[in-house]
Amino acid sequence: SQTIHQWPATLVQPVGSPLSLECTVEGTSNPNLYWYRQAAGRGLQLLFYSIGIDQISSEVPQNLSASRPQDRQFILSSKKLLLSDSGFYLCAWSVLRTFQGSGANVLTFGAGSRLTVL
Amino acid sequence: AQSVTQPDIHITVSEGASLELRCNYSYGATPYLFWYVQSPGQGLQLLLKYFSGDTLVQGIKGFEAEFKRSQSSFNLRKPSVHWSDAAEYFCAVGPNDYKLSFGAGTTVTVRA
Repeated sequence: SQTIHQWPATLVQPVGSPLSLECTVEGTSNPNLYWYRQAAGRGLQLLFYSIGIDQISSEVPQNLSASRPQDRQFILSSKKLLLSDSGFYLCAWSVLRTFQGSGANVLTFGAGSRLTVL
Repeated sequence: AQSVTQPDIHITVSEGASLELRCNYSYGATPYLFWYVQSPGQGLQLLLKYFSGDTLVQGIKGFEAEFKRSQSSFNLRKPSVHWSDAAEYFCAVGPNDYKLSFGAGTTVTVRA
């Protein structure tokens, strides 16, 4: 079966410090990978998605970047954190599934990484 | 552009009572619709999804949702709520590509 792992689960970082959140998927190949952010009291905002190694799309301009060095590894990074980067970061994966001739992506989420920037 | 509105930010319901969470979407074609649940401090778990066919969809944990095209709605229901249903619920809509749009979420509190 497929599993998704995110780490660290909790992180407290000072403003201006770097960030690296990692996400790996097991039990599947060539997944679509996603990074979402959930700010306090708000819904989910798609930050990045990737349909393959080194194929990453950014949804919103921001202080963050993403990389996919391996097929099942997705990394969220920042060189210098801002206070506004605080939030709950969720990694997700999907595989395009065909249903009655149409395709759809069903997301499976990791447990999340809570980042507090002080 | 696609969008999702969850009109209720917070709902409080008694254990054993029925629950209905509203979701309205905006999308130009036939949407793919989802409901996810998030327990405190956890990731999101898929409750159910609608792609096509029967407009009443059954999900896990006793939840169901009904797609009403005329009202652009996909409301989530449960006949009898359990204390473990206290969580945040997200409705999402997607086209046939890689991105879903999520609503802002509805927090459900269950009182004894």
